[in-house]
Amino acid sequence: DIQMTQSPSSVSASVGDRVTITCRASQGISTWLAWYQQKPGKAPKLLIYAASSLQSGVPSRFSGSGSGTDFTLTISSLQPEDFATYYCQQANSFPWTFGQGTKVEIK
Amino acid sequence: QVQLVQSGAEVKKPGASVNVSCKASGYTFTSYGISWVRQAPGQGLEWMGWISAYNGNTNYAQNLQGRVTMTTDTSTSTAYMELRSLRSDDTAVYYCARDKTLGAFDIWGQGTMVTVSS
Repeated sequence: DIQMTQSPSSVSASVGDRVTITCRASQGISTWLAWYQQKPGKAPKLLIYAASSLQSGVPSRFSGSGSGTDFTLTISSLQPEDFATYYCQQANSFPWTFGQGTKVEIK
Repeated sequence: QVQLVQSGAEVKKPGASVNVSCKASGYTFTSYGISWVRQAPGQGLEWMGWISAYNGNTNYAQNLQGRVTMTTDTSTSTAYMELRSLRSDDTAVYYCARDKTLGAFDIWGQGTMVTVSS
């Protein structure tokens, strides 16, 4: 199975900050990577697919990059509604797997 | 609008089975796959498996092989997930999600809480 490792596990940031979350795959996954945002008690929401494609309706302050084993999700200017937990997920090969999550908290 | 609506919360005893449904609307059901994802209380997301709504092909997580079955009913645009021999660590919110065809899940159900307790 492909293991997905996110860092950091949590980050404290202020409104307006630039936040970067990293996701590393245990083997190459090309660009078969998605990012999700989840708020408490809610289903996850797709932000980025194919490593860098912005899902329709998602604000442009979210961006994704990377290929192979190393990927990043960047929030260019953190907004109050962005405080949440973020997950990466690989779809290169079954079983599809998620990272353990990164919680973005208010500083 | 495009949506997935899941069945309601369940409470089961250890050893029992649970069947969760996921009814799709607003899109052509057979054009997309459906994945099932679960989340134990306070924990991360765990992918359980995938089914093609087109031909019924499935792929399950290794740790659930033999206990899980995913099916679809194209006449009602509904996907089903059955989990057998329930244990306390199966207590979780279970989500169905539409596969955007690039292995990304763009539409999610509201989640179904399954509690396993004696």
